[in-house]
Amino acid sequence: QVQLVQSGAEVKKPGASVKVSCRASGYTFSNSAMHWVRQAPGQRLEWMGWINAGGGYTRYLEKFQGRVSFTRDTSANVVYMELSSLTSEDTAVYYCAKVRGGAYDHWGQGTLVTVSS
Amino acid sequence: DIQMTQSPSSLSASVGDRVTITCQASQDISNSLNWYQQKPGKAPKLMIYDKSKLESGVPSRFRGSGSGTDFTFTINGLQPEDIATYYCQQWDDLPWTFGQGTKLEIK
Repeated sequence: QVQLVQSGAEVKKPGASVKVSCRASGYTFSNSAMHWVRQAPGQRLEWMGWINAGGGYTRYLEKFQGRVSFTRDTSANVVYMELSSLTSEDTAVYYCAKVRGGAYDHWGQGTLVTVSS
Repeated sequence: DIQMTQSPSSLSASVGDRVTITCQASQDISNSLNWYQQKPGKAPKLMIYDKSKLESGVPSRFRGSGSGTDFTFTINGLQPEDIATYYCQQWDDLPWTFGQGTKLEIK
């Protein structure tokens, strides 16, 4: 069965960077895209961008341009999301989500990133 | 960006009730609309995709309809386990965007 397992919670200081991993199993990793979606406390879900797991092509939400980077390790079926120059507004749960057509059919369990001085 | 507006923001209903949530897009998105259920502390779960297609394993009491800019999510015969927040999501154009959510509670 498809599983997406994310790395554990992080606490970071303002200005720092965070790198979250998402390990995929149960499907052909290189044939799919992985999206990243975040949810700040009490807020709606926010699409951050996506990475083509096979070719490595990426697309980011404009507000994160220059501050976010998605990478992947096809030998280990892992995708990474790195976000830099963190502020308190980046405190959120970050999800990786596998796409089927236009829908997220499987999600990681979420990684809480807390930014606090 | 396409804005998605859900109503109501919260809803209280009794077990067995029919519950309806609406989602309005700021422009025509054809049938490119999905619905998710999210329980506290959990990741969202896909319920309905492409406006009206029931995801595998989802009970048939859940239904989606609509087209263009106006969409409806219905639960026929509310069950206690349906208590959650529900989100619509459009995939007609990047960036994919979500509604603000509808929190469903038991009366």
